[in-house]
Amino acid sequence: AQRVTQPEKLLSVFKGAPVELKCNYSYSGSPELFWYVQYSRQRLQLLLRHISRESIKGFTADLNKGETSFHLKKPFAQEEDSAMYYCALRKAPGTYKYIFGTGTRLKVLA
Amino acid sequence: NAGVTQTPKFQVLKTGQSMTLQCAQDMNHNSMYWYRQDPGMGLRLIYYSASEGTTDKGEVPNGYNVSRLNKREFSLRLESAAPSQTSVYFCASSDRENGELFFGEGSRLTVL
Repeated sequence: AQRVTQPEKLLSVFKGAPVELKCNYSYSGSPELFWYVQYSRQRLQLLLRHISRESIKGFTADLNKGETSFHLKKPFAQEEDSAMYYCALRKAPGTYKYIFGTGTRLKVLA
Repeated sequence: NAGVTQTPKFQVLKTGQSMTLQCAQDMNHNSMYWYRQDPGMGLRLIYYSASEGTTDKGEVPNGYNVSRLNKREFSLRLESAAPSQTSVYFCASSDRENGELFFGEGSRLTVL
């Protein structure tokens, strides 16, 4: 079965420290991977997607097909990065169903 | 441009009562979705509608019904609410090719 696993429910780091939020998936095809973020009192929104290969708000994520991972990284955490982060998978571009991980709450401490 | 609007934002029900969550999008998206968000469970798909006139079950459809009223609107109905349906419900829409999901603000439902 297709699955997205985020092993950490809560990740606490100090401001200025590096951050890595882990995401592993199980799917045999060529999926599309996303990171969504939900800041306090805001809507869930797209942070980045593997296809675009962009850096958004200093975050990057590389799709590692060998390890079936799509970890989210930022070299220097900021307090405003504190939020709930969800990794999500779409089976292929143009398909309808998305599978979400259970989410990781990131707390950046001053 | 409001994006995805869902109502109500909060609702308290008694077991056995019925209610409908409303969702509307103004982005001309073909696909619409209903998710529920529970602690430790992440977002789980209840139902989705690939296009106007079609609906399909997601991971957790039991106890729910949906209606794709037109291209803009997609409603979720609880016919006989149960405490296990206490959750935060999110409506979302997307353009199938682009793939980005746009979410509503969420509806917090408590079933006593």
